[in-house]
Amino acid sequence: QQQVKQSPQSLIVQKGGISIINCAYENTAFDYFPWYQQFPGKGPALLIAIRPDVSEKKEGRFTISFNKSAKQFSLHIMDSQPGDSATYFCAASSGGYQKVTFGTGTKLQVIP
Amino acid sequence: DAGVIQSPRHEVTEMGQEVTLRCKPISGHDYLFWYRQTMMRGLELLIYFNNNVPIDDSGMPEDRFSAKMPNASFSTLKIQPSEPRDSAVYFCASSLGPGTSFYEQFFGPGTRLTVL
Repeated sequence: QQQVKQSPQSLIVQKGGISIINCAYENTAFDYFPWYQQFPGKGPALLIAIRPDVSEKKEGRFTISFNKSAKQFSLHIMDSQPGDSATYFCAASSGGYQKVTFGTGTKLQVIP
Repeated sequence: DAGVIQSPRHEVTEMGQEVTLRCKPISGHDYLFWYRQTMMRGLELLIYFNNNVPIDDSGMPEDRFSAKMPNASFSTLKIQPSEPRDSAVYFCASSLGPGTSFYEQFFGPGTRLTVL
């Protein structure tokens, strides 16, 4: 059973545009929501993470928006750059639990 | 620190052969994870260890898969016998234990396994 649904599967954005990736979850016990970035041939790496006690977290050009009532969260990449081209995974876990459930991934391509 | 180290980086084998993947976690990390990544199923957690003890192996596909962590600096994932459907990229990751702000997992570069 997939517990974290991610969309879109792929995304093409022009340089300077905004990339938006959405995720939804069902398990209300989830209390930690990280996003991982994966470049071809590499392992995923933590990009940014949020806990549900805040509605937004921003780090540079990357922002997580969190809607607890809707059980949805999203990643916004402002001023997207070709170097942002990668696969992005949302994820969730609960109770300090190390077991993280990943979404299916979004392949982002930023074109010049 | 060199990060999480995995070997081999690529493995090509024939159906029925035994395959052993190796992982060296980041020194001082208490948790070690094995993941499998495929186009069809995405990134799946197979098993994870805490202080060398397996905690959750519910993601291990079947008895052909086994994982061990004999000490804090080494883990293996073994497939015996291997099948073509086991072809995937296998990642090892490690993380610090509770008490850290976020449970960031540090992934290795992966082992691309092809079973012919």
